[in-house]
Amino acid sequence: DADVTQTPRNRITKTGKRIMLECSQTKGHDRMYWYRQDPGLGLRLIYYSFDVKDINKGEISDGYSVSRQAQAKFSLSLESAIPNQTALYFCATSDLQAPYGYTFGSGTRLTVV
Amino acid sequence: QKEVEQNSGPLSVPEGAIASLNCTYSDRVSQSFFWYRQYSGKSPELIMSIYSNGDKEDGRFTAQLNKASQYVSLLIRDSQPSDSATYLCAVMDNNTDKLIFGTGTRLQVFP
Repeated sequence: DADVTQTPRNRITKTGKRIMLECSQTKGHDRMYWYRQDPGLGLRLIYYSFDVKDINKGEISDGYSVSRQAQAKFSLSLESAIPNQTALYFCATSDLQAPYGYTFGSGTRLTVV
Repeated sequence: QKEVEQNSGPLSVPEGAIASLNCTYSDRVSQSFFWYRQYSGKSPELIMSIYSNGDKEDGRFTAQLNKASQYVSLLIRDSQPSDSATYLCAVMDNNTDKLIFGTGTRLQVFP
């Protein structure tokens, strides 16, 4: 089994719908992150959480919300999806100060039509 | 705003050649540096980390760090078509405890 699991792998949704992307990890890491990736724009941080009671906005949090249900679970919600939220979404985890970098999930390809 | 900069490429090299990928960063006090490989549509995969000035070798990969000049590079020896991917440089921001990623360099290795 993968250390960091994202579901679903692919999703097509309609404009205005609420959608949740889920991430779970078996690494035992306290820190979790949500990124989106668009062609030519690299990885952009949406939200991050350094522990269960700590949630922080990243550089592009508008239109998104998150929930840290447990150390192992971090969900990303799009309250009312819009077409420019079409992107590849990655969850990542790390130890304190990430001495070994981040471990990424396999990604969710989201298309909003 | 702290930055990590990479040439977007593509960098095209023939099979068997050495590919040299470069990255510069703005934060002088950064201590930890990482190289990720990302195939199209897939997730980034950590391939090298480096923390001290100098070279660090792992198989065909060598990471080079020069803190005085604020650059880190990745050399891939005996490049193979399977090395064709985007390579992301990441630098730890000690103030925020988060990695700052470059936008990546696309490498193409042709037979």
